[in-house]
Amino acid sequence: RKEVEQDPGPFNVPEGATVAFNCTYSNSASQSFFWYRQDCRKEPKLLMSVYSSGNEDGRFTAQLNRASQYISLLIRDSKLSDSATYLCVVSLTGGGNKLTFGTGTQLKVEL
Amino acid sequence: NAGVTQTPKFQVLKTGQSMTLQCAQDMNHNSMYWYRQDPGMGLRLIYYSASEGTTDKGEVPNGYNVSRLNKREFSLRLESAAPSQTSVYFCASSEQERGTQYFGPGTRLTVL
Repeated sequence: RKEVEQDPGPFNVPEGATVAFNCTYSNSASQSFFWYRQDCRKEPKLLMSVYSSGNEDGRFTAQLNRASQYISLLIRDSKLSDSATYLCVVSLTGGGNKLTFGTGTQLKVEL
Repeated sequence: NAGVTQTPKFQVLKTGQSMTLQCAQDMNHNSMYWYRQDPGMGLRLIYYSASEGTTDKGEVPNGYNVSRLNKREFSLRLESAAPSQTSVYFCASSEQERGTQYFGPGTRLTVL
């Protein structure tokens, strides 16, 4: 079983739609959780950290369910520019040095 | 402020050749990392350097060596390249071990 699992997609949605991605992780000792965004043939960039209480950044909302070991990302009012691959990332420590990446979920927002 | 830079952007090697991938950051970060990204595998940590003067193995260190030349620079060396090392290599840095990681643009390596 992969340590971090994501549906690879692609998710094809019309502009303005709401779309949600889920991710599950296998190690219950995981302590930090992130969503990164990766555009085609570019480097990953941090989208947002995920906190136990859930957090929102504009059109993006992240949730963490420790009991079920899954993380979600909700994108409201999708824009064409949201088209990218979204990587679920988990860390065993309090933060950075041992990040485990999911393989990513591809989102395509269409006119 | 360039962030994290990597050279070269592209490289084609023959099996058995050696090369060094260069990475530099200008953010005064303490920690630096090397990852590889393969289709269907996600990014995997090769080596990391928590601070200047230290290096540690990650998930997939075999066939690679690293050097933390100074605080800014962290290089990855392939001593004898193999086709299995065909991949996209990303360097990243963070202010400290527990900080957000910032990635360079990547090096696309093909080993024939």
